[in-house]
Amino acid sequence: GAVVSQHPSRVICKSGTSVKIECRSLDFQATTMFWYRQFPKKSLMLMATSNEGSKATYEQGVEKDKFLINHASLTLSTLTVTSAHPEDSSFYICSARDRRGTDTQYFGPGTRLTVL
Amino acid sequence: GNSVTQMEGPVTLSEEAFLTINCTYTATGYPSLFWYVQYPGEGLQLLLKATKADDKGSNKGFEATYRKETTSFHLEKGSVQVSDSAVYFCALSNFGNEKLTFGTGTRLTIIP
Repeated sequence: GAVVSQHPSRVICKSGTSVKIECRSLDFQATTMFWYRQFPKKSLMLMATSNEGSKATYEQGVEKDKFLINHASLTLSTLTVTSAHPEDSSFYICSARDRRGTDTQYFGPGTRLTVL
Repeated sequence: GNSVTQMEGPVTLSEEAFLTINCTYTATGYPSLFWYVQYPGEGLQLLLKATKADDKGSNKGFEATYRKETTSFHLEKGSVQVSDSAVYFCALSNFGNEKLTFGTGTRLTIIP
C-alpha cells in the first residue's frame, strides 16, 4: 500500500528557533500534500494544501510566514515552523494524494513538536 | 461550513462485543464520508468510505452506511478484537474538493 513517512518523529527545540519537518511519499507520486495540526483530544485541523511546484494554499487563520511550506518534488513536502514559540507545540501530520487521481489521502505517522 | 460530530470516547469494550461509534455530519451538497483509523504509533489509515447516499462501506469486519436522511455514518462491527484498539476518526469531503473535515476522534480500547 501507499506509504507516507515523516521526519523527524519527535523534535524538541528552544523558543525562537526554526524547525523543519519533512513529509515523503515513498512509493507513489503526490501532486498534492496536506499539512494538519492536531491538538490534544481535538480533531485534525487542516493548515495548508501544498501543490507540487506552486505556492501552498493556507487555511484561514494560519500564518503563512510562520508555517513555511515547500513542495519541491512529487515525493517531498516540507513544513518549517519559523521562530517557534511554546504555543506552536503540537502534533503535525501530513498526508499525500496519489497523482493517479483517487480521492484517498495517505497519512504520515506525525511529528511531535515541543517548543521549550 | 462542514462539520463532523463523533461520540466522545474513550470507549472500552470486551473482546467479541458489538461496537457502534456514532458520527453525524453537516455539509453542503453531497459529501463523501470516511472512517480513518489510527493505530498506536502509526499514521491514519483509511478504513472505509462511502460516496453517495445508501452506500455501505466495509473493511476488516467494520461497516458504515451513508444515511442522508439522518446525516449519519455510524461505524459498526459485530465482534471486536483486541487488535481493533485504536483511535477512529470520521471525516467528510465535498465532491470535487480534496479537503477533509475530521471529527474529534474516538479512542477504542478492547480488553481480553
